[in-house]
Amino acid sequence: KNEVEQSPQNLTAQEGEFITINCSYSVGISALHWLQQHPGGGIVSLFMLSSGKKKHGRLIATINIQEKHSSLHITASHPRDSAVYICAVLTPYNNNDMRFGAGTRLTVKP
Amino acid sequence: GAVVSQHPSRVICKSGTSVKIECRSLDFQATTMFWYRQFPKQSLMLMATSNEGSKATYEQGVEKDKFLINHASLTLSTLTVTSAHPEDSSFYICSARARTRNQPQHFGDGTRLSIL
Repeated sequence: KNEVEQSPQNLTAQEGEFITINCSYSVGISALHWLQQHPGGGIVSLFMLSSGKKKHGRLIATINIQEKHSSLHITASHPRDSAVYICAVLTPYNNNDMRFGAGTRLTVKP
Repeated sequence: GAVVSQHPSRVICKSGTSVKIECRSLDFQATTMFWYRQFPKQSLMLMATSNEGSKATYEQGVEKDKFLINHASLTLSTLTVTSAHPEDSSFYICSARARTRNQPQHFGDGTRLSIL
């Protein structure tokens, strides 16, 4: 079993829909990242959080430390949101290395 | 704007060539840099971690003589794929983190390496 599990693996939505991507982890963490990878390959860090909730524009990320679960929500989705979203946890050992989920491939259709 | 610059973005070369990929932190001092490899439709796989001024720590199964990593300064790390072969073709991404506690990890745009 992977240390970081994401669901769903693939997601297709219509423009305007509310989207949720889930992440569960089984290791101790110091922080959790939500990353966005566009088709060209570059990766952008959307959020880094260790508790509660963060919001940036149409994106919202939440984390429940007790349940070892995080969600990424996209409100009013748009075709430009189409990308792979990766959940990654920062572990407090081994040089604070990062463990990655397999990613969720999101396609938003106009 | 980008805080980590990775160069080149794409390399196509013949088998047996050595290829150097550079990763620079643009506006912060990166005490730790990470090198990842990504296969199609798979997540990132950590290859090695490098701390400035010391030898890189390689993950199990990664050949250190094949993938030479140098982190000579606080803003530059290089990955050299020596005597590359077609099986080394992949997408390589670096990321960098500052010494300051709880700072996020910033990623480069990646290098797509194709060995003919």
